[in-house]
Amino acid sequence: SAVISQKPSRDICQRGTSLTIQCQVDSQVTMMFWYRQQPGQSLTLIATANQGSEATYESGFVIDKFPISRPNLTFSTLTVSNMSPEDSSIYLCSVVTSGAKNIQYFGAGTRLSVL
Amino acid sequence: GQQVMQIPQYQHVQEGEDFTTYCNSSTTLSNIQWYKQRPGGHPVFLIQLVKSGEVKKQKRLTFQFGEAKKNSSLHITATQTTDVGTYFCAGPASGGSNYKLTFGKGTLLTVNP
Repeated sequence: SAVISQKPSRDICQRGTSLTIQCQVDSQVTMMFWYRQQPGQSLTLIATANQGSEATYESGFVIDKFPISRPNLTFSTLTVSNMSPEDSSIYLCSVVTSGAKNIQYFGAGTRLSVL
Repeated sequence: GQQVMQIPQYQHVQEGEDFTTYCNSSTTLSNIQWYKQRPGGHPVFLIQLVKSGEVKKQKRLTFQFGEAKKNSSLHITATQTTDVGTYFCAGPASGGSNYKLTFGKGTLLTVNP
């Protein structure tokens, strides 16, 4: 497994502003992902964070709205840009460690409320 | 596209009763995983099943992978209040990286003490 530190754990933001969420892992990992989870709903994959290159976004998510960085094998950020109340959600990072056969380990999540 | 369906959506039981959640995929899966998310928490990996017809047990939890590798179940015997949470199944997403997962909608289990 891996120890994942995600911050902030929660935030309340104003409409039109941006928030950057950080995900730090205690060891090098093969894959890093970003998910969104609406209250009481399942997990929706936003994108795969690629080390040293542009993230791979899922249908319905775009780089201008959710820019992602992954400068190395242990760290990634997700920015939620120009926020609206519809962006209120839980954002989760997850990682796949080497040899883990696509098992994902999740950070504690960031609970975002947009006013 | 690939769909992973899970039923029931909700289940409320009395403590000590059994509980089962079912997962069905529209495509054959190379493996299936189960995660548990406690209220206010994050998903935590429980188990991965790989072989057709595989059955694995973790204390009171029994996990099963169907013969056709398209369905799975999680059965909890004699539920306890610590079992409360949402149980998700997940399978490798079709068409692309084997590392991506498609999650079911989850089954929320509540237990009355």
